[in-house]
Amino acid sequence: AQSVAQPEDQVNVAEGNPLTVKCTYSVSGNPYLFWYVQYPNRGLQFLLKYITGDNLVKGSYGFEAEFNKSQTSFHLKKPSALVSDSALYFCAVRDAGNFNKFYFGSGTKLNVKP
Amino acid sequence: NAGVTQTPKFRILKIGQSMTLQCTQDMNHNYMYWYRQDPGMGLKLIYYSVGAGITDKGEVPNGYNVSRSTTEDFPLRLELAAPSQTSVYFCATKQSYEQYFGPGTRLTVT
Repeated sequence: AQSVAQPEDQVNVAEGNPLTVKCTYSVSGNPYLFWYVQYPNRGLQFLLKYITGDNLVKGSYGFEAEFNKSQTSFHLKKPSALVSDSALYFCAVRDAGNFNKFYFGSGTKLNVKP
Repeated sequence: NAGVTQTPKFRILKIGQSMTLQCTQDMNHNYMYWYRQDPGMGLKLIYYSVGAGITDKGEVPNGYNVSRSTTEDFPLRLELAAPSQTSVYFCATKQSYEQYFGPGTRLTVT
């Protein structure tokens, strides 16, 4: 069965500092991995994806994610956090057997303090 | 482009009542999804559709029904509402690998 885990319910970081939001995955075959962001009372917005190729993928709003096959991780990163980055972040993986289905993590709340 | 729209935004149902959550998209995407979001649980897939006339079950389909008569619309039906269906419901479309989400419907069953 496919799944993703986000081990931290909440991450706190000061504005201007680097941030990391963690995600580990379990999937048979090659993983297709995604990050989404959710602002209060809004739907999720796509940030970035890993399909194949470079282990460091760049996405929207200055975010990037590092794919690590040996550690089965796909951590979201940003070199310098902004207060406006405060939101709920979800990692997701595509089902390896049914390409139409996706599984989401439980979410990590990012708090960026001024 | 309005993208993905959902109505209503909020609804309170009594146990045993029925309702339909509406979802409409103007992006001409074939793939559409219904998810529910419970606190601390992430999103769970209820049903999905790969095109008009074709639907399939996700992880948590019990208590729900869907139909897809047009590309634009993908309504979700709750027949006999139960407290366990209290949640926030999101509709989404998919183009290539990216999903586009609506603003959600917050449903409370009491």
